[in-house]
Amino acid sequence: DTAVSQTPKYLVTQMGNDKSIKCEQNLGHDTMYWYKQDSKKFLKIMFSYNNKELIINETVPNRFSPKSPDKAHLNLHINSLELGDSAVYFCASSLALGYNEQFFGPGTRLTVL
Amino acid sequence: KQEVTQIPAALSVPEGENLVLNCSFTDSAIYNLQWFRQDPGKGLTSLLLIQSSQREQTSGRLNASLDKSSGRSTLYIAASQPGDSATYLCAPRGGSNYKLTFGKGTLLTVNP
Repeated sequence: DTAVSQTPKYLVTQMGNDKSIKCEQNLGHDTMYWYKQDSKKFLKIMFSYNNKELIINETVPNRFSPKSPDKAHLNLHINSLELGDSAVYFCASSLALGYNEQFFGPGTRLTVL
Repeated sequence: KQEVTQIPAALSVPEGENLVLNCSFTDSAIYNLQWFRQDPGKGLTSLLLIQSSQREQTSGRLNASLDKSSGRSTLYIAASQPGDSATYLCAPRGGSNYKLTFGKGTLLTVNP
């Protein structure tokens, strides 16, 4: 069984479009995260949610809006896509906010043309 | 602001060698540190989580050590195999929001 899953795996779109990436975890975890890995492979946190409450927002443009309908899901909506948004986006989860191991999804490769 | 450095950036070894990957971080006020591997085009796989109160953590052929006061961690891989080829990332967790900060990784190639 997949622990942390993301859809779609690949996303190719035009500049200016709005798109969403979905993330689901079946581990019963309380905390979920979004990370961005740029072309230089540098991985950086964007958001974290704990029990559906926003904990971390790392100065991400407000074109990016996470939405957590329940503890098992954290979706990422991106408005007015720009070329610089091209990257691999990873979802992750952990049992709780503090001391626990994080588990990552397989990633979504977003290409903006 | 936490900064993480991993040395070397790339490493190529023959199969069977024991090797050490190094990670240093600037802010020693961490809760724990996690080591991951990332295969090309794939997500991250958690290898070891070492709490700030621990000195070592072992899983199979992997051993991670942590010297929190000096801001260093090492990942020791014994008897390396071609299947160990991947990028290895370390990430200390710290701050009021328990954030993981990643290094740029060490690209390991184990040659048959």
